[in-house]
Amino acid sequence: EAQVTQNPRYLITVTGKKLTVTCSQNMNHEYMSWYRQDPGLGLRQIYYSMNVEVTDKGDVPEGYKVSRKEKRNFPLILESPSPNQTSLYFCASSPTGGHGYTFGSGTRLTVV
Amino acid sequence: QKEVEQDPGPLSVPEGAIVSLNCTYSNSAFQYFMWYRQYSRKGPELLMYTYSSGNKEDGRFTAQVDKSSKYISLFIRDSQPSDSATYLCAGCIGTGNQFYFGTGTSLTVIP
Repeated sequence: EAQVTQNPRYLITVTGKKLTVTCSQNMNHEYMSWYRQDPGLGLRQIYYSMNVEVTDKGDVPEGYKVSRKEKRNFPLILESPSPNQTSLYFCASSPTGGHGYTFGSGTRLTVV
Repeated sequence: QKEVEQDPGPLSVPEGAIVSLNCTYSNSAFQYFMWYRQYSRKGPELLMYTYSSGNKEDGRFTAQVDKSSKYISLFIRDSQPSDSATYLCAGCIGTGNQFYFGTGTSLTVIP
């Protein structure tokens, strides 16, 4: 089944403790992206990648890192999480940007 | 000003009604437009995408883009309770990676 898989689905952590949210797609898509979704603010792009080793900042990149060493994987790294990073995170992939993204099921992160 | 504005609703309609969901956008560089449906506790699911101005139909769904007025619409005919969800519109600059989403409109279809 064609899909974007994120792990974990739920995560509670403490301020400052480094964490990684994994994302993998099995559709051989070139484009991958991370979004966060907050009430009243909608989906906001954190980082995106147009191919292996090619990444760029979205609208809200502060406090996040990404890497794209393989085409299928695009992990999101929070080096020192803070409570304002409590959010619902989505990974997404697309063959090309204009045709829309396929989203994962989301990771609900709580930073206390 | 947000790149894409969307009335959050909530919108409540009886089963069988025609639903009209709307967005406005500010960036003239948008060329691709999408509509996503998001059920509670799920990721957004792509419903339709359109290029530039015009209409696109897929079953009960019709997407409409008017670039002259920077207006995006989604029409749902013969609405069903299973259409109850939050609907997100989005615009994309060229064929790049940068999508801008509206905040979503919550729709409930009452049996």
